[in-house]
Amino acid sequence: LAKTTQPISMDSYEGQEVNITCSHNNIATNDYITWYQQFPSQGPRFIIQGYKTKVTNEVASLFIPADRKSSTLSLPRVSLSDTAVYYCLVGPFNQAGTALIFGKGTTLSVSS
Amino acid sequence: EAGVTQFPSHSVIEKGQTVTLRCDPISGHDNLYWYRRVMGKEIKFLLHFVKESKQDESGMPNNRFLAERTGGTYSTLKVQPAELEDSGVYFCASSQDVAGTSTDTQYFGPGTRLTVL
Repeated sequence: LAKTTQPISMDSYEGQEVNITCSHNNIATNDYITWYQQFPSQGPRFIIQGYKTKVTNEVASLFIPADRKSSTLSLPRVSLSDTAVYYCLVGPFNQAGTALIFGKGTTLSVSS
Repeated sequence: EAGVTQFPSHSVIEKGQTVTLRCDPISGHDNLYWYRRVMGKEIKFLLHFVKESKQDESGMPNNRFLAERTGGTYSTLKVQPAELEDSGVYFCASSQDVAGTSTDTQYFGPGTRLTVL
C-alpha cells in the first residue's frame, strides 16, 4: 500500500476551516484515499473516501488533484468536538478485505 | 443499528496468564478484522476473517495469539501466555462485502485495553 505523509499536529479555533493535506506520491492506479477520525478511547471512524476530484459529505470535503499524489481533507467551521486524530490512508478500498495501514495521523486541537 | 462491540473494555492480567477478547461485528457483516496499538506505536493490522475463514493473518505477531470466528458471527482473540509487550489496545472492525460497491468501509469497535503486568 502507498505510504502517506501528513502533519503530526495542527491547531485551530472554533469556527475556522481546517485543511489537512496528505502526501501519497506512490499511489497506485486502483488505490482510493480514505480518511478516518479517532477520538480518545474510541476506535477510528470513517469520515470520507474518494478516488479523484472532489468528494463532499455531511462531515467533510476531500480534494484530490489530477495527479492524485496528494489529497486535502477540509473540515468546515470546526468545533471543540472536532479535536481528534485524523488518519489518511491509501489502498484498494474498492474491494473488501483490505487491511488498513495507519500512520501516526494528524492530531487536530481545536480551541475556543 | 448496533455498532461493533468489544468485551471487555479493559483487562489487567499477570504475565503468563491467558486472556480472551471478544468482538461482535455489525450484524450481517462478513468481514471482521483485528488490529492493535501497542504503546507509542501506530495501529497495526493483525488478521482478517471472511465469515468463519481466516483470509489474512499476516499481522499476527506470533503463535501465542489465536483468533477464531466460529459460525461466522462473533470472534475471539486469545493471548496465551500473555507477555508484557502484548499490552496495548486491541480493536476489532467489520465491513460488509457488497458486490458492485466502490467502497469497503470498516467500522471499528471501541477497543479493549489490555495491560499485562
